[in-house]
Amino acid sequence: GENVEQHPSTLSVQEGDSAVIKCTYSDSASNYFPWYKQELGKRPQLIIDIRSNVGEKKDQRIAVTLNKTAKHFSLHITETQPEDSAVYFCAASIGAIHFGNEKLTFGTGTRLTIIP
Amino acid sequence: NAGVMQNPRHLVRRRGQEARLRCSPMKGHSHVYWYRQLPEEGLKFMVYLQKENIIDESGMPKERFSAEFPKEGPSILRIQQVVRGDSAAYFCASSPGGSEETQYFGPGTRLLVL
Repeated sequence: GENVEQHPSTLSVQEGDSAVIKCTYSDSASNYFPWYKQELGKRPQLIIDIRSNVGEKKDQRIAVTLNKTAKHFSLHITETQPEDSAVYFCAASIGAIHFGNEKLTFGTGTRLTIIP
Repeated sequence: NAGVMQNPRHLVRRRGQEARLRCSPMKGHSHVYWYRQLPEEGLKFMVYLQKENIIDESGMPKERFSAEFPKEGPSILRIQQVVRGDSAAYFCASSPGGSEETQYFGPGTRLLVL
């Protein structure tokens, strides 16, 4: 089955600087890669996702890049703010392209702390 | 448009009791997924259901755990004869189905087994 590894496990960044979180996956059939942000005691919230037909996607201060050949994808947060502090999870799935294979396999999470 | 709803938000059970967790998907969503999150860990897939069908239960323990999504009403995750190791946050997610696979999560049920 799919295995997703995520690094680093903790990351401290000065406010205003950029943060990068990296994930690798094992199943070359995976096509869908979402990122979730989880604040303490709250639900995981989707912040951005990317599908395998594109290499990069951007939404304001957040961007995700995907390298299908190397089987890795990364989250980039620019101009970090204190409210960006949270745990971030990457995930992978084969996706809806193959019915019944939509389950998400999650990385182990990155605790991001923005230092004011 | 209400999001994914879960209840109860907190549930305390003694060892050997049954826990019943409910999930109502977002309006218009026909796919429901259950994930378990142990303290300080990531989310682990348990089961994927559509109305009246279990699509994938590869992540669910073979004993004591069951899930359903009836034609009417919420999806239910049932844990029989709970043990301390079942203490965790249980999250439900839903998606529209078809070609749209984006999953939206509910607030979770935090189960504590005494």
